[in-house]
Amino acid sequence: GAVVSQHPSRVICKSGTSVKIECRSLDFQATTMFWYRQFPKQSLMLMATSNEGSKATYEQGVEKDKFLINHASLTLSTLTVTSAHPEDSSFYICSAGPNRGMGSLQYFGAGTRLSVL
Amino acid sequence: GIQVEQSPPDLILQEGANSTLRCNFSDSVNNLQWFHQNPWGQLINLFYIPSGTKQNGRLSATTVATERYSLLYISSSQTTDSGVYFCAPHNAGNMLTFGGGTRLMVKP
Repeated sequence: GAVVSQHPSRVICKSGTSVKIECRSLDFQATTMFWYRQFPKQSLMLMATSNEGSKATYEQGVEKDKFLINHASLTLSTLTVTSAHPEDSSFYICSAGPNRGMGSLQYFGAGTRLSVL
Repeated sequence: GIQVEQSPPDLILQEGANSTLRCNFSDSVNNLQWFHQNPWGQLINLFYIPSGTKQNGRLSATTVATERYSLLYISSSQTTDSGVYFCAPHNAGNMLTFGGGTRLMVKP
């Protein structure tokens, strides 16, 4: 199946620093990628839709100035957590699919575990 | 938006037992995926099933789209089946709405 690579897998940082997470589609092009967040023992919640060449679409309650998304190419989307604080500590996962059609199969990266001290 | 409910929330099985996990959703969907999340957080695609029944080894899934539910069957469970199982219907576009998950522990 298609491969989605996410990097880094684990980040530990001090409060106030910014952290960039990369999501790459390795063997297909993706005009759209999705970013999810998962707190401990909870489900995954969609944060935003990353659109190649245009602005991301954020879900209600997600601060666009805090979670900057850049989808500059058809194989790469980045999520930057700006001025991270302990409450931003979470598991961040991206997904993408090789087909544009509605309901097409989505593949997930391995996730990034962010710990803010 | 669409509501997704999974049951049971927690399940403990003895190795070798069978189980059925259920996923109810509140609206019609384009597609649905079942995942197994391993202890490291990786989501593993199990099934991509808008309707009908599919089988893969000891696992099978059935989606009845007209009645808005999907079932995941695990037969002859093994300790390696432990983890969290999520169903995720496809919303508008290709974003997924995840259910709350079923946390499965299989004891030797």
